[in-house]
Amino acid sequence: NAGVTQTPKFQVLKTGQSMTLQCAQDMNHNSMYWYRQDPGMGLRLIYYSASEGTTDKGEVPNGYNVSRLNKREFSLRLESAAPSQTSVYFCASGAALDTQYFGPGTRLTVL
Amino acid sequence: AQSVTQPDIHITVSEGASLELRCNYSYGATPYLFWYVQSPGQGLQLLLKYFSGDTLVQGIKGFEAEFKRSQSSFNLRKPSVHWSDAAEYFCAVGGTGRRALTFGSGTRLQVQP
Repeated sequence: NAGVTQTPKFQVLKTGQSMTLQCAQDMNHNSMYWYRQDPGMGLRLIYYSASEGTTDKGEVPNGYNVSRLNKREFSLRLESAAPSQTSVYFCASGAALDTQYFGPGTRLTVL
Repeated sequence: AQSVTQPDIHITVSEGASLELRCNYSYGATPYLFWYVQSPGQGLQLLLKYFSGDTLVQGIKGFEAEFKRSQSSFNLRKPSVHWSDAAEYFCAVGGTGRRALTFGSGTRLQVQP
């Protein structure tokens, strides 16, 4: 049972480049989430999807877009990367009563 | 708005000593409370969770936490720390109805031999 998987694990971009972070879960959860983690700030919610076909903004959505491709997959896209988007990105999927399970993360550096 | 405060950024304990990590939350109703652990370069692993009922909850790896409504706290404890417990620990609160968690800024635990 793989749980939540994320690709890539590491990425280096130049300012202005675009990329998509992929996330998939095999736990049949309805809810999926994207967070970013920055030193001293915990995890902050970027976007979430309560069910297939729906998405909603979190605390820090600017500069990002998401797609809930199907129940398993939830991707995060940076259209024009900026140095402020250098961070570690975590995808999570949600079970009952708000319990969330996290992927291993993607470490992104924007130069 | 809900919030979580972890007042200790960094804690160092000796192996075998007891541990308590503090967490205070702000939430308008009965919260769902969680503790996660993150080892270096890894994702977050759920240690334990509180939804209702018994205010002392047991988790994995010998951890426990106690929900105290009067103090708005959910402190994490372990009687005897092992070197492998060195990691960063995050407290989180949920229950908005959007099922989004709000995390504290984390406490980094260092274990001395």
